[in-house]
Amino acid sequence: GAGVSQSPSNKVTEKGKDVELRCDPISGHTALYWYRQRLGQGLEFLIYFQGNSAPDKSGLPSDRFSAERTGESVSTLTIQRTQQEDSAVYLCASSLPLAGSSYEQYFGPGTRLTVT
Amino acid sequence: AQTVTQSQPEMSVQEAETVTLSCTYDTSESDYYLFWYKQPPSRQMILVIRQEAYKQQNATENRFSVNFQKAAKSFSLKISDSQLGDAAMYFCAYRTPPNTGNQFYFGTGTSLTVIP
Repeated sequence: GAGVSQSPSNKVTEKGKDVELRCDPISGHTALYWYRQRLGQGLEFLIYFQGNSAPDKSGLPSDRFSAERTGESVSTLTIQRTQQEDSAVYLCASSLPLAGSSYEQYFGPGTRLTVT
Repeated sequence: AQTVTQSQPEMSVQEAETVTLSCTYDTSESDYYLFWYKQPPSRQMILVIRQEAYKQQNATENRFSVNFQKAAKSFSLKISDSQLGDAAMYFCAYRTPPNTGNQFYFGTGTSLTVIP
């Protein structure tokens, strides 16, 4: 089946502009995660959606960052008034946290955001 | 919060040799999941191997195996007969039990170089 997809694969934007990043999880995966990965760094957790529960937003670095997910489908991560420090690869992952499943995350290819 | 520590930012190995990547974690839980992910320069994160904490037997996937020491909270990855394609960033990850939030915690990664 299809894996996790993300769009765009690359985005260059001017400082101060808003950007929207999209993630299509694997069909049926109820859990969806967003991470930020700066150049040469590890994964920084941003936000987690699980079904219809309230999302875990504890990783969002500022109020310029927000994310939405409709049901168990597509998610969008929005960064308002982008700053140069927002430049990074944004990774999306989905998971099927059910008893009997293998529980691992499946990652998308990421969106490389460059703020000039 | 749980923490995952990878104390080796960089490692190198001769082709066909064996290398071990270290990972330790901190948790008060008894039932959890551990993973090793590989991220090649193409940046697509790929699952290498998983380990359920309730299983005493170390997981093995072809040339990849783990040394899971639950009491020591250690989860190292051994790569045997290293190949050039093994060169990548390797991330250790801890996943909380399903009934405690399905949260993942990642280490900072180990960059593996394979020398021909």
